[in-house]
Amino acid sequence: KNQVEQSPQSLIILEGKNCTLQCNYTVSPFSNLRWYKQDTGRGPVSLTIMTFSENTKSNGRYTATLDADTKQSSLHITASQLSDSASYICVVLPGGSYIPTFGRGTSLIVHP
Amino acid sequence: DVKVTQSSRYLVKRTGEKVFLECVQDMDHENMFWYRQDPGLGLRLIYFSYDVKMKEKGDIPEGYSVSREKKERFSLILESASTNQTSMYLCASSLWPGEEQYFGPGTRLTVT
Repeated sequence: KNQVEQSPQSLIILEGKNCTLQCNYTVSPFSNLRWYKQDTGRGPVSLTIMTFSENTKSNGRYTATLDADTKQSSLHITASQLSDSASYICVVLPGGSYIPTFGRGTSLIVHP
Repeated sequence: DVKVTQSSRYLVKRTGEKVFLECVQDMDHENMFWYRQDPGLGLRLIYFSYDVKMKEKGDIPEGYSVSREKKERFSLILESASTNQTSMYLCASSLWPGEEQYFGPGTRLTVT
């Protein structure tokens, strides 16, 4: 069964610090992996997409990595801001499918 | 900008009532989705539609039905609401299968 596991479940950091969120998946075959950010009370918004051939992709202070061999991805946030407080969801699309598999998300709280 | 709107942000209904959740997208997207989101469980797919009048069951369709009479509108119907359907409901759309999904703000439904 296709699964996406995220860790940690929740994380509290101080403003200005860096952090890394993890995503492990068993989805096969693989098409792409997305990281979404979901602010409280809002729908998720895509931060970045990773395809099989991509190892690293940045979007401002967010950097996603993908190791397709070990089926792991990470999202690194640099110099965190209060506005980074949100849930971060890893989503993997199986090859040949309409339907992505969602992780349960990591809840990040950034304290001043 | 893609815009996905949902008819209500908050809704309170009684057990046994018929409930309609409406979703409208303004970007001529082919695919539309309904999810429910519960703490600790992440997003779970209820139904999706890849064309007008075409619909497919997701992971948890029991107790729900959908309607898509027009391309831009996708409705979720709870035929007889029950307390275990208290949840956040999120609608999403995408242009092509596997493309980025654009989410609405969600409807928080409480069934008493």
